Amino acid sequence: GEDVEQSLFLSVREGDSSVINCTYTDSSSTYLYWYKQEPGAGLQLLTYIFSNMDMKQDQRLTVLLNKKDKHLSLRIADTQTGDSAIYFCAESITKQGGKLIFGQGTELSVKP
Amino acid sequence: GAVVSQHPSRVICKSGTSVKIECRSLDFQATTMFWYRQFPKKSLMLMATSNEGSKATYEQGVEKDKFLINHASLTLSTLTVTSAHPEDSSFYICSANGGLAYNEQFFGPGTRLTVL
Repeated sequence: GEDVEQSLFLSVREGDSSVINCTYTDSSSTYLYWYKQEPGAGLQLLTYIFSNMDMKQDQRLTVLLNKKDKHLSLRIADTQTGDSAIYFCAESITKQGGKLIFGQGTELSVKP
Repeated sequence: GAVVSQHPSRVICKSGTSVKIECRSLDFQATTMFWYRQFPKKSLMLMATSNEGSKATYEQGVEKDKFLINHASLTLSTLTVTSAHPEDSSFYICSANGGLAYNEQFFGPGTRLTVL
């Protein structure tokens, strides 16, 4: 079945890089997403990657996809205190904008 | 970008009453809306998918008579929690896509429901 796993917590110092990891089980995933959720708020789409890509970079964000190992990572360069939030990875197996399966979320804490 | 709103943002109700939560797409026509439930420190659990003008498709384990979903127009979907009980207390989030916003889900800010 479909399953998405993430580690629950990550703590880094301001200015360091953060790497949040995610594994998924469904090899038919088409799109993989990273969302950010701040306390008491909805989800904000950070970036996504199509399953035939290995890497995508967008300013401070770098997404790496290892399709063989079904492993996805999000690297945040020069992490700031404003990056403190919960980060969810999600997969879609139908189409872009279709049903999403979410991981448990990784709580990122950035210490000054 | 596309904007989705939810109303109310917080609601407290007594056990046994029904509560309606609205989800609106403000600047696009949402042919599909999704309803999620999120427990504290937990992931989002998809409850149901609704397409405008048709019955919602519920995920396994979600009681459709308990969580009534209506998607009567291209900009509005409602979730009604009927005969609410304390275990229904949760954070409910909707998302939508459609029209020019077809290629991703746009999320509302969520509704915090507390049942006393």
